[in-house]
Amino acid sequence: DAGVTQSPTHLIKTRGQHVTLRCSPISGHKSVSWYQQVLGQGPQFIFQYYEKEERGRGNFPDRFSARQFPNYSSELNVNALLLGDSALYLCASSLAGTRNQPQHFGDGTRLSIL
Amino acid sequence: TQLLEQSPQFLSIQEGENLTVYCNSSSVFSSLQWYRQEPGEGPVLLVTVVTGGEVKKLKRLTFQFGDARKDSSLHITAAQPGDTGLYLCAGENLAGNNRKLIWGLGTSLAVNP
Repeated sequence: DAGVTQSPTHLIKTRGQHVTLRCSPISGHKSVSWYQQVLGQGPQFIFQYYEKEERGRGNFPDRFSARQFPNYSSELNVNALLLGDSALYLCASSLAGTRNQPQHFGDGTRLSIL
Repeated sequence: TQLLEQSPQFLSIQEGENLTVYCNSSSVFSSLQWYRQEPGEGPVLLVTVVTGGEVKKLKRLTFQFGDARKDSSLHITAAQPGDTGLYLCAGENLAGNNRKLIWGLGTSLAVNP
């Protein structure tokens, strides 16, 4: 079975542009979470979606938004990109939005802002 | 704000040595997960501990959840170069309806042959 897939794998943008990152969860998983990981640090939680509804939001500005589609795939959108948005963006899926569910991570999208 | 502190932040050891990585918090978690991440890849789940005092073993790796469910440790016996990577712990929030994992910053382990 395919794991969590993210696209694109790498992306280069300039300041002020916007970006859309995509994530396909493991088949059967209904919950998707997004994380931002700066080099050398642990992932920081951005959003969680379950059954197309936002279930959790981290401490990120309104420039960051996301949505989940009926097939449980998800998009993360970032507007007005800043240099500090350069990071690895990870998507993780789990069976449900309930507790003690292990999250399976994709390999991430490496976003570089010039 | 819940925080998970991992220590040490960096660790460089020789092959065959033993090591312990710690994950501490002042908050209680319903469960705690350990991940290993290699450069350019997403974190891979190693184990989830749920019960206070629980000990789980995964080959040469031993994971322990503190009795109060506020801390955890990862012990590696006879480390090998293949153990090199970033080890992350993540605690799950006990209260509230929104499930969220609180992440540590990670321990970067280098095992030298």
